[in-house]
Amino acid sequence: DIQMTQSPSSLSASVGDRVTITCRASQSVSSYLNWYQQKPGKAPNLLIYAASSLQSGVPSRFSGSGSGTDFTLTITSLQPEDFATYYCQQSFSTSITFGQGTRLEIK
Amino acid sequence: EVQLVESGGVVVHPGGSLRLSCAASGFTFNDYTIHWVRQAPGKGLEWVSFISWDGVSTFYADSVKGRFTISRDNSKNSLYLQMNNVRTDDTALYYCVKDGDDSRGYYYMDVWGKGTAVTVSS
Repeated sequence: DIQMTQSPSSLSASVGDRVTITCRASQSVSSYLNWYQQKPGKAPNLLIYAASSLQSGVPSRFSGSGSGTDFTLTITSLQPEDFATYYCQQSFSTSITFGQGTRLEIK
Repeated sequence: EVQLVESGGVVVHPGGSLRLSCAASGFTFNDYTIHWVRQAPGKGLEWVSFISWDGVSTFYADSVKGRFTISRDNSKNSLYLQMNNVRTDDTALYYCVKDGDDSRGYYYMDVWGKGTAVTVSS
C-alpha cells in the first residue's frame, strides 16, 4: 500500500495567519491527491481534489499544490472556522489511503 | 439535495456479524462508485471498501478482506456492507461516501453521510 505521511501532526496558529500542511506519498501518486477538512463530531468535507482543484463552495483561501510524492495544502488568512483536522488521501491506487491527519489549533 | 444516510450500526460481540446499509438520494446513484470509510474513536480516517457503479468491481482494505463484503442495489439506491467475524478493532463510525465526478478521470470523495456507529465488544 502507498503510505501517506502528513506533517506536522499538529500545529497552532492565529486568526489571519498563513498555514501550510505537507503530505508525502511513499511512491508517486501523480496528481491523485485530495484534501479533506474534518471538524469535531462532523463528517469530513472535501476541500481540494486532483492536487490543486478547489471543490465547489470551498473558500479561495484554501489552495493545494504538488505532484508525484510531495504535496501541500495552504490556507491563507486563517479564519476561526478553519480550526479543524486536515487529511490528505491518495486515489492513485485502488487501495486508497489517508494521511494520519493534521490538527490545526488556535494559538 | 444530495444525501447519504447510513444505518445498521449496533453493538456486536467479537466474531459476530452485522450488515450496514446506506440510502442514497438526490443524485443518479447508479452512475457513481461508492465507498465505505471508517473512523475509530479519536483516530484518523481509514478507507474500507469501494464498489463500482455497476457493482462488478469491488476493492477492500487488507484489514477487512475476506471478512467484509460490499454490495449495492441500484434499483433501491442502496449500498451495503456485510461485516462477518468482526473484531474489536472494527469498532468505528462507518461513513458511506460518494465518488466525485471529474472529466479528467480523477477520483475523490465529494459527499459523505453522517455515519453509523459500530461497537465490537464482549
